[in-house]
Amino acid sequence: GEDVEQSLFLSVREGDSSVINCTYTDSSSTYLYWYKQEPGAGLQLLTYIFSNMDMKQDQRLTVLLNKKDKHLSLRIADTQTGDSAIYFCAERGNYQLIWGAGTKLIIKP
Amino acid sequence: NAGVTQTPKFQVLKTGQSMTLQCAQDMNHNSMYWYRQDPGMGLRLIYYSASEGTTDKGEVPNGYNVSRLNKREFSLRLESAAPSQTSVYFCASSLGQGYNEQFFGPGTRLTVL
Repeated sequence: GEDVEQSLFLSVREGDSSVINCTYTDSSSTYLYWYKQEPGAGLQLLTYIFSNMDMKQDQRLTVLLNKKDKHLSLRIADTQTGDSAIYFCAERGNYQLIWGAGTKLIIKP
Repeated sequence: NAGVTQTPKFQVLKTGQSMTLQCAQDMNHNSMYWYRQDPGMGLRLIYYSASEGTTDKGEVPNGYNVSRLNKREFSLRLESAAPSQTSVYFCASSLGQGYNEQFFGPGTRLTVL
């Protein structure tokens, strides 16, 4: 069946780059997403990438898609304390989004 | 423009009690969703409503019922709460099923004793 996997935690120093990784199983997925959940809040769409793209850049965010390996990554440049959150990877399934468990990004001073 | 609102924010129930979680959106969205979030498990879809007048089961519908009251409102009911239903519940909406962005409410933290 469809499955999306992520590491549960990532710890980085403030100012460094953060790279959050995700693997998915459905090779027919047309869209892949990154959502951000700040403490005590709902999720917000951060960015998404269409399956015919390899890379998408938006200010400090870079999304890389390796379709052959079914691997998606989110790079956050110059990580700030405000980036502390849980980051969810999701792929579009038949009638719903298939979600990863979320990666908690911890920023060390 | 409040987006997606949910009530209540917190709730404690005893096993066997019933309750309804309310959700409303003011974005004129067609599709609405109920998820539960458990530590280490991500989001799991309970029920969704692709459009007003329709509802469908998601991944984990057992123990829940839903009502799409109108285009704005989508409620989730627990008829006989169980400790396994302790979770954070999120309502979300999107313009349609084929659209990329789902907008989420702030969540309801439910504890069943």
